[in-house]
Amino acid sequence: NAGVMQNPRHLVRRRGQEARLRCSPMKGHSHVYWYRQLPEEGLKFMVYLQKENIIDESGMPKERFSAEFPKEGPSILRIQQVVRGDSAAYFCASSQGGQNTEAFFGQGTRLTVV
Amino acid sequence: TQLLEQSPQFLSIQEGENLTVYCNSSSVFSSLQWYRQEPGEGPVLLVTVVTGGEVKKLKRLTFQFGDARKDSSLHITAAQPGDTGLYLCAGERGNEKLTFGTGTRLTIIP
Repeated sequence: NAGVMQNPRHLVRRRGQEARLRCSPMKGHSHVYWYRQLPEEGLKFMVYLQKENIIDESGMPKERFSAEFPKEGPSILRIQQVVRGDSAAYFCASSQGGQNTEAFFGQGTRLTVV
Repeated sequence: TQLLEQSPQFLSIQEGENLTVYCNSSSVFSSLQWYRQEPGEGPVLLVTVVTGGEVKKLKRLTFQFGDARKDSSLHITAAQPGDTGLYLCAGERGNEKLTFGTGTRLTIIP
């Protein structure tokens, strides 16, 4: 019973390139959350998705960032024209949804912009 | 403004000592979860509390949810070096979105 799978674990991009981060939720989970964590800090909510729908994107920067969770395949967090300030660990969590649901995290993708 | 404040932010104690960390908010949560995160890894769920006043034990860890469901505490008895990590609380307000606290970075000195 695989847990939440994120890939790649480490990603290096030059300024101006695009970064694509993938997240496969746990089996049976239809809800996905993305969080960003800067070094020595807690997790900041970015976006909450259900299959084919964005439920809450209040934590997403207005420009360059987008997320999707298609009917088939993993959830994708896409960052266009990356800048040095985008360097962080990006974590995905999944849940079954519903009230008092429990979320389980992947190991994260560490993005470094050079 | 931070919805969930955790204190202390940093804590360093000797092995064998007891400690308590706190998670406070002015908002009511329908549930609250505690996670531990080790360097280079994702957060791992420790416990979920749902009912006001609820107490849950996980070996040497005791979790309590405040009566008004606005705050929570985590008490560790006889701390071990393996308890070292970042402890995060996260609350859910009935909208299925988990909001995380600022975290307490705990170091247990052998």
